[in-house]
Amino acid sequence: DGGITQSPKYLFRKEGQNVTLSCEQNLNHDAMYWYRQDPGQGLRLIYYSQIVNDFQKGDIAEGYSVSREKKESFPLTVTSAQKNPTAFYLCASSRNKGADFYNEQFFGPGTRLTVL
Amino acid sequence: AQKVTQAQTEISVVEKEDVTLDCVYETRDTTYYLFWYKQPPSGELVFLIRRNSFDEQNEISGRYSWNFQKSTSSFNFTITASQVVDSAVYFCALLRPNAGNMLTFGGGTRLMVKP
Repeated sequence: DGGITQSPKYLFRKEGQNVTLSCEQNLNHDAMYWYRQDPGQGLRLIYYSQIVNDFQKGDIAEGYSVSREKKESFPLTVTSAQKNPTAFYLCASSRNKGADFYNEQFFGPGTRLTVL
Repeated sequence: AQKVTQAQTEISVVEKEDVTLDCVYETRDTTYYLFWYKQPPSGELVFLIRRNSFDEQNEISGRYSWNFQKSTSSFNFTITASQVVDSAVYFCALLRPNAGNMLTFGGGTRLMVKP
């Protein structure tokens, strides 16, 4: 089955620690995205990547970092510089090629991060 | 500036009622794309529909229908004969073609369908 996997589903970290959230897709999509969702709010874009070894900041990139070494993987690191990291994090991917250039984004199940 | 507004934060209906979720957008692009997503309690977003700015035809898919009106910058979503399984948070989103196809989301509308 093709899809997007995120692990872990729930993550707890102590204040001041960096933590990395995993996102893997087997849809052969070129573009991948990371969003943050706070309670009762919409999603806000953190980072996105259109191709391997390239990524761009979204609207709220401060305190986060990413890498895109493989097409299938787009891990997100929440650093200690992120002032309020407790949130629900969603990873997405889309085809973004040829006739599918403006296609929908497919989302993973999300990771709920809580800072203790 | 790109912006999506979903003025209804929460709607509660009784099963079998019809319900309309409003979405108003702002964009300077002449070409743009609008989306609706459903977020059930599990958290994963489920794609419902995509509409491009050139196509103002309304669309119907089973109990779901969408009304796109460029003149009022609105893209409203109607569920006919609602069911308990429709209970979820619904997001309207605007795609930015000139910015890596990023999506700008509205704040979402929580729909509660009671039996």
